[in-house]
Amino acid sequence: KNEVEQSPQNLTAQEGEFITINCSYSVGISALHWLQQHPGGGIVSLFMLSSGKKKHGRLIATINIQEKHSSLHITASHPRDSAVYICAVNYGGSQGNLIFGKGTKLSVKP
Amino acid sequence: EPEVTQTPSHQVTQMGQEVILRCVPISNHLYFYWYRQILGQKVEFLVSFYNNEISEKSEIFDDQFSVERPDGSNFTLKIRSTKLEDSAMYFCASSETPLRVHEQFFGPGTRLTVL
Repeated sequence: KNEVEQSPQNLTAQEGEFITINCSYSVGISALHWLQQHPGGGIVSLFMLSSGKKKHGRLIATINIQEKHSSLHITASHPRDSAVYICAVNYGGSQGNLIFGKGTKLSVKP
Repeated sequence: EPEVTQTPSHQVTQMGQEVILRCVPISNHLYFYWYRQILGQKVEFLVSFYNNEISEKSEIFDDQFSVERPDGSNFTLKIRSTKLEDSAMYFCASSETPLRVHEQFFGPGTRLTVL
């Protein structure tokens, strides 16, 4: 069964801390996505990657294809980063639909 | 910046009624999706749509569900006879092309409450 596992489920940090959220998946993928879901429910795409590393502002996403693992890092965290961060993958046999992890709820305290 | 829009933002209906959820994908996108998220659970794929036909669907997408692109802009999800367990947030998404994996852009969601 194609599974996407995230850890931790919940994360509380102090403003300024370095955050790492992990994602692992079970079989070969064509791409991995990191998404952000705000309390209102809306989903925003942060990164799509199939190899290596991507950086956007204070966010960094890495993927290790051999280990079937990806990490999302947030540097100098801020209360406005508080959200649910979701890892989702396109499995090789699919035609684009995403398989989602359960998400990591991040709360950054001032 | 172009965005995916969805209407209504919240729909309340009685069990057994039909509902139509509407989405306007980004205008030059060709591949459309519906996902749902039951409260407290992960987002689940329902269906993908390309070239005026269903490309792929999940086990959840049974005969009570249908999708349609009635004109050049709207993409709709119809639930024929709603059940209590259909209560969820429904997200529409679109991407540029199915030819290779592309970033998906999500709408704000429609919260469906079935009473």
